[in-house]
Amino acid sequence: EAGVAQSPRYKIIEKRQSVAFWCNPISGHATLYWYQQILGQGPKLLIQFQNNGVVDDSQLPKDRFSAERLKGVDSTLKIQPAKLEDSAVYLCASSLQTSYEQYFGPGTRLTVT
Amino acid sequence: KQEVTQIPAALSVPEGENLVLNCSFTDSAIYNLQWFRQDPGKGLTSLLLIQSSQREQTSGRLNASLDKSSGRSTLYIAASQPGDSATYLCAPSGNDMRFGAGTRLTVKP
Repeated sequence: EAGVAQSPRYKIIEKRQSVAFWCNPISGHATLYWYQQILGQGPKLLIQFQNNGVVDDSQLPKDRFSAERLKGVDSTLKIQPAKLEDSAVYLCASSLQTSYEQYFGPGTRLTVT
Repeated sequence: KQEVTQIPAALSVPEGENLVLNCSFTDSAIYNLQWFRQDPGKGLTSLLLIQSSQREQTSGRLNASLDKSSGRSTLYIAASQPGDSATYLCAPSGNDMRFGAGTRLTVKP
């Protein structure tokens, strides 16, 4: 069984530029999560999808971050414009349903200069 | 809002020791609690998931317990090995999903 795929693995951009991350969850998983992990901290949930719908986006900075999940499968997370404090690892995870075991992708390391 | 604390923040032990990692959380209204390990520069690997109705879960040398009423979970690692060196994170899942900051474990040969 293929795991959660993410791309790119690394990205370096200048502040005020835009960036997008892609996630392909495990086949058949209805729930998809995006997390932000700053060095030395635990992951912080940014947004949770159940199929196409948003379940929780309470910690998503909506003035600059957006996410979508087309057709209930792949998802993209976008930052526009980026700030220095957005430098972090962005992790995608999926589970069969909400509150089931989560499986994580390798993450995308973003550096904003 | 759920707050998750993991103690200790870092731990260094000689190979072969048994050890306990602690996780406490403030909101006991959870569906389950998951323990993960994270190797440097990598994503998270699921170790154990304990349902809210369970008291413990075992996988190989790992045993996780859950006391929902007191807001505590422990991860017991038996006969530690250098390959166990990683950061261990707990995540109670309830109305919101929160992670602790993790315990960084080093097992010395």
